[in-house]
Amino acid sequence: DVKVTQSSRYLVKRTGEKVFLECVQDMDHENMFWYRQDPGLGLRLIYFSYDVKMKEKGDIPEGYSVSREKKERFSLILESASTNQTSMYLCASSFAGVITDTQYFGPGTRLTVL
Amino acid sequence: KNEVEQSPQNLTAQEGEFITINCSYSVGISALHWLQQHPGGGIVSLFMLSSGKKKHGRLIATINIQEKHSSLHITASHPRDSAVYICAVLNNNDMRFGAGTRLTVKP
Repeated sequence: DVKVTQSSRYLVKRTGEKVFLECVQDMDHENMFWYRQDPGLGLRLIYFSYDVKMKEKGDIPEGYSVSREKKERFSLILESASTNQTSMYLCASSFAGVITDTQYFGPGTRLTVL
Repeated sequence: KNEVEQSPQNLTAQEGEFITINCSYSVGISALHWLQQHPGGGIVSLFMLSSGKKKHGRLIATINIQEKHSSLHITASHPRDSAVYICAVLNNNDMRFGAGTRLTVKP
């Protein structure tokens, strides 16, 4: 079974803090994704990575950065958290080649920024 | 206007009912995904299709490329089918998501 894990299910941070969200997959997938999900807006892509040390901006990269030092791990970084970054964050992974391949999602991290 | 529209937004059904969730999109696509998100956030990919029809257990997904429309059907619905169902389309390596349909199946 594919397993995508995220470091925390729930996280509460203060405005201005630096926040790290970690995602690990165990299926040797090349592609990894970070989304945020907000009511009425659905899932929106923040960043994706198709290989180690490679990254591409998604629809809403502002205020975020990412790191992919190892194939199995994709980190999302909020350099200075703001209240409008309160959201559900979902990580996903898939095999390489085409983004159309089935994406496997992690359980999500619900982040609250106070 | 969103590029991916789902209807209905919310759906309540009695156990055993046949359920249909619709997805319309306005862009050319290479594939369409149906996803299921359970309470608590976990997302599971149900189908990926680019033409015709796929069936998996009690779930059926259809797509009409000319009409830019897909439907997800659930036969003999059960309370454990209660979840948010999300339609996602792929256009030029760019994935767009619908806002989701919240399904509640009552015993």
